[in-house]
This record gives sequence, C-alpha cells and structure tokens, in this order.
Amino acid sequence: GAVVSQHPSRVICKSGTSVKIECRSLDFQATTMFWYRQFPKQSLMLMATSNEGSKATYEQGVEKDKFLINHASLTLSTLTVTSAHPEDSSFYICSARGMGLAGTGELFFGEGSRLTVL
Amino acid sequence: GNSVTQMEGPVTLSEEAFLTINCTYTATGYPSLFWYVQYPGEGLQLLLKATKADDKGSNKGFEATYRKETTSFHLEKGSVQVSDSAVYFCALGGGATNKLIFGTGTLLAVQP
Repeated sequence: GAVVSQHPSRVICKSGTSVKIECRSLDFQATTMFWYRQFPKQSLMLMATSNEGSKATYEQGVEKDKFLINHASLTLSTLTVTSAHPEDSSFYICSARGMGLAGTGELFFGEGSRLTVL
Repeated sequence: GNSVTQMEGPVTLSEEAFLTINCTYTATGYPSLFWYVQYPGEGLQLLLKATKADDKGSNKGFEATYRKETTSFHLEKGSVQVSDSAVYFCALGGGATNKLIFGTGTLLAVQP
C-alpha cells in the first residue's frame, strides 16, 4: 500500500520552544492530509485538515496559532507546535489521502511522532 | 454528531481463541465503516472496510459486517495468532471531506 512517513518519531523539547513535525507521502501525491492527536488510552482526535496550496481547516477547539500547519507540496505537510508547553505533550499522527481516492474514506497513516515537552 | 463507541481493552486471549471486538456508532447519513490496526511501533493500517449496510469487510481472517439496524460493526476472527497482537480502531467516515472519526482503540494481546 501507499507509504506515509513522519519525522521525527520522537522529540523532546524545552517548554517555550517550537517543534516541527514533517509528514511525507513517499510514493503518491497527497491532495489532502490530516493531523491527529492521540492521548493515552483515548481515541485519535482530528486536529486539522490541510489541502495542498491552501490554508488548513482546524477543528473546533484547536488553536490555529498554536498548531501551525503547512501543506506546501503534494508530498509534504508540516505541523509546527509553537511555544510548546508540557500539556502539548502527546502523540501526533498524520494521514494522507491520495489522488483518485476521493470519497472512499481510505487514508494512509504515518508512524506517529511522540512529543515530550519538559 | 457522529461518534464511535468501542469496547475497552485490553483484551487478552490465548492463541487460536475466538475474537470479538465490539463497535457501535452514531451517525447521520450513510457513512462508511472501517477497522484500522496499529501494530507495535508502526502507524495505523486499514484492516477492512464496509461502505453500505449489510456489507461484510474481510481481510487476514478478520471480518466485520455493517449492521444498520443495530448500528454496529463488530470485528471478529475465528482463531487469533500471536502476530495479531495490536491496537484495533473502529472508525466511521468518508464522503467529500474524508474525515474519519475513531473509537478509543482496543488493545489485543494474544498469548502463546
């Protein structure tokens, strides 16, 4: 199947710093990418939807100035956690929908990135 | 709004035991239903899906039937293996936005 890669897989940072997480579709062009956040023993919470070349659409309750999402190309989306604080510590997962799969709901997921803010 | 309720884990079974992981949903319209699996250290992978009522999705010995009357999509496997140990997520979605709404995930541990 299609491959989505996230980097870094783990990152530890100090409170107040910014962290960037990359999500790449390696063997297909992703018109739409989704960013999820996963808390321990909880479901994946959709944070935002990013479409290549346009602004991301954020879910209710997600601070767009806190979680900056850029989808500059058909194979790369980035999530930047700005001025990170310990409560931002979480597992962040991206997923991508390839061209031609519109309406099927089938997405391809990255391996996830664990952020720990000290 | 749309939601998914999934049985809590962990579920611990012996090899070759029968598996059922319950999943029920609340939705407007006619969403597609999915089971995703997350093996240790890996990303989520689509396990199976069903796009309309009475459809049965199947893959790797796992099955789930889209039951509109009971709003359920329970995952079953007749004989589990140690290699099936993973977290299983039920999800609904599809349509133009392709947003997926996930259940909380169920950890399955299969012992030899």
